[in-house]
Amino acid sequence: EAGVAQSPRYKIIEKRQSVAFWCNPISGHATLYWYQQILGQGPKLLIQFQNNGVVDDSQLPKDRFSAERLKGVDSTLKIQPAKLEDSAVYLCASSLSWAGSSEQYFGPGTRLTVT
Amino acid sequence: AQSVSQHNHHVILSEAASLELGCNYSYGGTVNLFWYVQYPGQHLQLLLKYFSGDPLVKGIKGFEAEFIKSKFSFNLRKPSVQWSDTAEYFCAVRHTGNQFYFGTGTSLTVIP
Repeated sequence: EAGVAQSPRYKIIEKRQSVAFWCNPISGHATLYWYQQILGQGPKLLIQFQNNGVVDDSQLPKDRFSAERLKGVDSTLKIQPAKLEDSAVYLCASSLSWAGSSEQYFGPGTRLTVT
Repeated sequence: AQSVSQHNHHVILSEAASLELGCNYSYGGTVNLFWYVQYPGQHLQLLLKYFSGDPLVKGIKGFEAEFIKSKFSFNLRKPSVQWSDTAEYFCAVRHTGNQFYFGTGTSLTVIP
């Protein structure tokens, strides 16, 4: 089965610029997650979708970050404007459902460098 | 705030040595517990998980973890490590609010 796809794999931007990341989950997976992983830290959940609805976005910095999952499949995460502290790997994951027993499958991540 | 603590940031072992990586969490309610592994150049993948029942959970590649509720711990163990176990290991906790919290990770280096 195909895994979670993410693009781009790497992105370098200057501060105050905008950037968008794309995620295509495993086919049939209803739940999609975006994580931010800063160097030396564990992944931090930014937002969780169930189909095209937001389940939890309590840790998403909504003044600059936004995410959508139109049609309940692909998702995009946007940062506008970027700050130096946004430099991190952005991970997308998907699972069959949002039940606790449902395993998350992770994509390769997008490494963002803000200069 | 919820937190997950991994006490060992970097562990170096020789092949065939035994491994134990610590994980403690701060949430007092019902939790689901996970260990994820990230091999060099690869994606995060699930090693094992605990939801209920037997507190000793067995995962892939000979790993196991024990949930000790009274100690809020979920330590990862392997009796004999191999060079191929060199990776980053993350403990994660999911509580009834469905929020996922990851620890900061432990980097394991196994010397042949």
